[in-house]
Amino acid sequence: NAGVMQNPRHLVRRRGQEARLRCSPMKGHSHVYWYRQLPEEGLKFMVYLQKENIIDESGMPKERFSAEFPKEGPSILRIQQVVRGDSAAYFCASSPTRGGGNTEAFFGQGTRLTVV
Amino acid sequence: DAKTTQPPSMDCAEGRAANLPCNHSTISGNEYVYWYRQIHSQGPQYIIHGLKNNETNEMASLIITEDRKSSTLILPHATLRDTAVYYCIVSKYGGSQGNLIFGKGTKLSVKP
Repeated sequence: NAGVMQNPRHLVRRRGQEARLRCSPMKGHSHVYWYRQLPEEGLKFMVYLQKENIIDESGMPKERFSAEFPKEGPSILRIQQVVRGDSAAYFCASSPTRGGGNTEAFFGQGTRLTVV
Repeated sequence: DAKTTQPPSMDCAEGRAANLPCNHSTISGNEYVYWYRQIHSQGPQYIIHGLKNNETNEMASLIITEDRKSSTLILPHATLRDTAVYYCIVSKYGGSQGNLIFGKGTKLSVKP
């Protein structure tokens, strides 16, 4: 059973370009979460999605950032008009269920975005 | 802000037990204590969790005080590969509803 797959692992974009980060959850998982980690910082929650629905986007910047998890295909985190401050590691996690207090999240290896 | 307090760094000799403390004095009755670790900027890895009883799995043991205001993660025989940042997180859901609040964690350095 493959783990959470993220691609690309490294992404370089010039200021003003768009960045698209992809995440395929573990097989059987229908919940996806995106986190951002700035250098030397802890992870910060961005958004929680189920198939075709955004459940919680309280951590998403108000502009330029969007996320989707379509019925078919991977979850996409999209950053428009990137700026240098967007340079960070972006981690995706997935889990199989919403309820209960004993379900952990499984994280991918991350996408390292560098804006030049 | 994180609801936990951890020392920023710790050292441990290879083969010895690593005891990582965590304070969570404002924990609610329905919140679990979760531990994750992040090895050299890889994705975080789940270690163990507990509510009020001590827990043990193949990776570690978790000791929670009776008043649940603090806990200790124990790696019984630390190896060099256990060098990582360890995060103690209190959560009702442990990650299955997102919004895990990661603090700065404890950077554990296992030395030969």
